[in-house]
Amino acid sequence: EVQLVESGGGLVQPGRSLKLSCAASGFTFSDYNMAWVRQAPTKGLEWVASISYGGSNTHYGDSVKGRFTISRDNAKSTLYLQMDSLRSEDTATYYCARLTYWGYFDYWGQGVMVTVSS
Amino acid sequence: AIVLNQSPSSIIASQGEKVTITCRASSSISSNYLHWYQQKPGAFPKLVIYSTSYRASGVPSRFSGSGSGTSYSFTISRVEAEDVATYYCQQGSSNPPTFGAGTKLELK
Repeated sequence: EVQLVESGGGLVQPGRSLKLSCAASGFTFSDYNMAWVRQAPTKGLEWVASISYGGSNTHYGDSVKGRFTISRDNAKSTLYLQMDSLRSEDTATYYCARLTYWGYFDYWGQGVMVTVSS
Repeated sequence: AIVLNQSPSSIIASQGEKVTITCRASSSISSNYLHWYQQKPGAFPKLVIYSTSYRASGVPSRFSGSGSGTSYSFTISRVEAEDVATYYCQQGSSNPPTFGAGTKLELK
């Protein structure tokens, strides 16, 4: 059974940093591209970042480019999102998702809440 | 970025009724790259339809999708109480991947 379990969320002040983790199990993690998708309270879904299966290729949404870094440790089957210079508009639930060849997200984690507030 | 215009933004339907959601893309995309998700209240999104018309594993046959080019649709043939959710279309044709604004389905 595919499982994605996020952790690392919480309340953080504007301008500070936070690192999210996503522990994967039930599939060969190193065979799949992965992504982070977020959802602000009462809002829709927004893609944040993607990373290739080997980790060499990364892509970012314009709203987080230069502030967020996606990475992975295939030996630990874990995906990360380093979030720096956080802003109030980054407040959202962050989902880890497995990304397929045709660009859809076939499995999602339960999500982790990040609140940026003073 | 490809913009997906999803309509309507909300639907109120009776059990057993047929509902259809439309997703229009700002530029043409291959049908392989248009997908639909269901998000029930308080839950994470779940893939329902991928590549326009293929049902994801375990998805009931009352859910279907069709379309091509810039116009796509998602249909529930007979709405059930458990279908109350927000539905999103999504394109994976080009970066950035984008989602429609969502359609909230409620029961009458």
